[in-house]
Amino acid sequence: LAKTTQPISMDSYEGQEVNITCSHNNIATNDYITWYQQFPSQGPRFIIQGYKTKVTNEVASLFIPADRKSSTLSLPRVSLSDTAVYYCIPSGGYQKVTFGTGTKLQVIP
Amino acid sequence: EPEVTQTPSHQVTQMGQEVILRCVPISNHLYFYWYRQILGQKVEFLVSFYNNEISEKSEIFDDQFSVERPDGSNFTLKIRSTKLEDSAMYFCASSGTLRQGGGEKLFFGSGTQLSVL
Repeated sequence: LAKTTQPISMDSYEGQEVNITCSHNNIATNDYITWYQQFPSQGPRFIIQGYKTKVTNEVASLFIPADRKSSTLSLPRVSLSDTAVYYCIPSGGYQKVTFGTGTKLQVIP
Repeated sequence: EPEVTQTPSHQVTQMGQEVILRCVPISNHLYFYWYRQILGQKVEFLVSFYNNEISEKSEIFDDQFSVERPDGSNFTLKIRSTKLEDSAMYFCASSGTLRQGGGEKLFFGSGTQLSVL
């Protein structure tokens, strides 16, 4: 199980781009990196997933360098509604999905 | 968009009582999970379920816990004799296609807040 390290918390002003970096030095070859978002009193919500290079969807972008030992979730022009906890989770094959403590993002008006 | 549905949203029970938490996973999903989150703490894995049997369970999932898929749509978590420390938000999740590479993409319900008094 790949151990992850991400900032405990981050603050950002509305309208700014936010980048949350997660390190996963011992990621397995067949692991993908998945990011989830969780609002208070709600279940985690899948945001984006990638294996290498860059993935973009309507919500975020995910950058994964060639060595795959880290990944960066990029949220463009955040709004107050992006205030949430963000989890980075490497997983693949038949592993269970294990949540860490995540990064608590606070968007400030 | 299809979603995982959980009922009830809140459940209050007395210590020692049995509770059943209910979930309707996304209809074409094959893998089902229960997680829980104690207030202010991490989301913790309890159990995964596939092909009508438990595929993995955590240390938390002791003999007081059981899961069942009684029909083609529902997935339940039963706690036989609740303890104060079982108070938490319980999340059901499901994931879809057979694992053709790639990590799991779990779809979570909105949770059942269980309060044991």
